[in-house]
Amino acid sequence: DIQMTQSPSSVSASIGDRVTITCQASQDIRNYLNWYQQRPGKAPKLLIYDASNLERGVPSRFSGSGSGTDFTFTISGLQPEDIATYFCQHYDNLVYTFGPGTKLDIK
Amino acid sequence: EVQLVESGGDFVQPGRSLRLSCAASGLTFDDYAFMWVRQAPGKGLEWIGFIRSKAYDGTTEYAASVKGRFTISRDDSKNTAYLQMSSLRTEDTAVYYCTRVPNGSGWPGYFDYWGQGTLVTVSS
Repeated sequence: DIQMTQSPSSVSASIGDRVTITCQASQDIRNYLNWYQQRPGKAPKLLIYDASNLERGVPSRFSGSGSGTDFTFTISGLQPEDIATYFCQHYDNLVYTFGPGTKLDIK
Repeated sequence: EVQLVESGGDFVQPGRSLRLSCAASGLTFDDYAFMWVRQAPGKGLEWIGFIRSKAYDGTTEYAASVKGRFTISRDDSKNTAYLQMSSLRTEDTAVYYCTRVPNGSGWPGYFDYWGQGTLVTVSS
């Protein structure tokens, strides 16, 4: 089975900062990698699909990149409403695996 | 506006059964596959399984952790998907989310709409 790791597990940043989260797969997953935001007490929300495609209605400060085994999720200009846990998710061959999550809070 | 509303969560004893429902609105229900994802308290997300649209014969796929115990079905006339859970274990305690896959086949596998979740607690 493909394993997904995320780093860091938690991060604190200031409003306006650039925040970067990485997701690594244990083997090549091409671009089959999605990113979700889960605010406290809420359901997850799709932000990025297929590594770099911004979901409709999602602010452009969110972006994703990468392919193969290494992926990056970036918030360019952190806003207070971005406090959340962020999950990567891989899909392939009838398996849909989530990363362990990165908890983001405001410094 | 697409809405998914789960219901049926409850407190149940180990070994019992429970059925969750996911009522959808604001979409052409028949066109889409639906995935169930769960989240144990304070933990991460785990996919459980999904059901394809009728165009793909409404076939289902399950994670190894629930295969043989959980069954997903759909009633397109009611715009509702179901998760039948049997032989429940304490480790099945979680919030269960219904999600839409933006296609009928389950591929590509991302989830663009989520319900608010329903809590299932399995305990003696």
